[in-house]
Amino acid sequence: DQQVKQNSPSLSVQEGRISILNCDYTNSMFDYFLWYKKYPAEGPTFLISISSIKDKNEDGRFTVFLNKSAKHLSLHIVPSQPGDSAVYFCAASLYKLSFGAGTTVTVRA
Amino acid sequence: GAGVSQSPRYKVAKRGQDVALRCDPISGHVSLFWYQQALGQGPEFLTYFQNEAQLDKSGLPSDRFFAERPEGSVSTLKIQRTQQEDSAVYLCASSLAQGRNEKLFFGSGTQLSVL
Repeated sequence: DQQVKQNSPSLSVQEGRISILNCDYTNSMFDYFLWYKKYPAEGPTFLISISSIKDKNEDGRFTVFLNKSAKHLSLHIVPSQPGDSAVYFCAASLYKLSFGAGTTVTVRA
Repeated sequence: GAGVSQSPRYKVAKRGQDVALRCDPISGHVSLFWYQQALGQGPEFLTYFQNEAQLDKSGLPSDRFFAERPEGSVSTLKIQRTQQEDSAVYLCASSLAQGRNEKLFFGSGTQLSVL
């Protein structure tokens, strides 16, 4: 039973433009949401998080938006850079993380 | 060490063989998690330790899977009588505190291939 879904398996974006990654969840008990970034042959690394009491959190080029009523969150990367090419996982927390299947982002020069 | 360390990096096992995967968490981290990641999927929760206590093993797929953390630091995930469906990357993660809303630090994983 997939409680966290990332419906876009891949995203291609031009360098300098905005990347928007989407994530939906089903369990209304989740109270903390995170995005992880993963390069090949490495473990996921933490990118940014948001508590359920907020609707936006920003860290440099990365902004996460949370819409609790829609059970939806998104990650915006502005501007996209070649080093952003990776797999991005959305995760939701009770105390253990439930992950989406990931979105592969390719930033074109 | 600076990060979560996992060994071996790669493991090839014949079907029916037992394997043991090791995780060295970040020093001082109380919580330790094991995840299984199949090809093209996100990590799936296996089990959780708080210090040496295994508080949640609901994700272990069968009784062939066993995990321990006897001294509250290093953890071992053991898979007995491996099957082809056990082929995956096994990720270990740790976090400093035992509360909710703590970000996890992941190791690079052990890629297990069962032939």
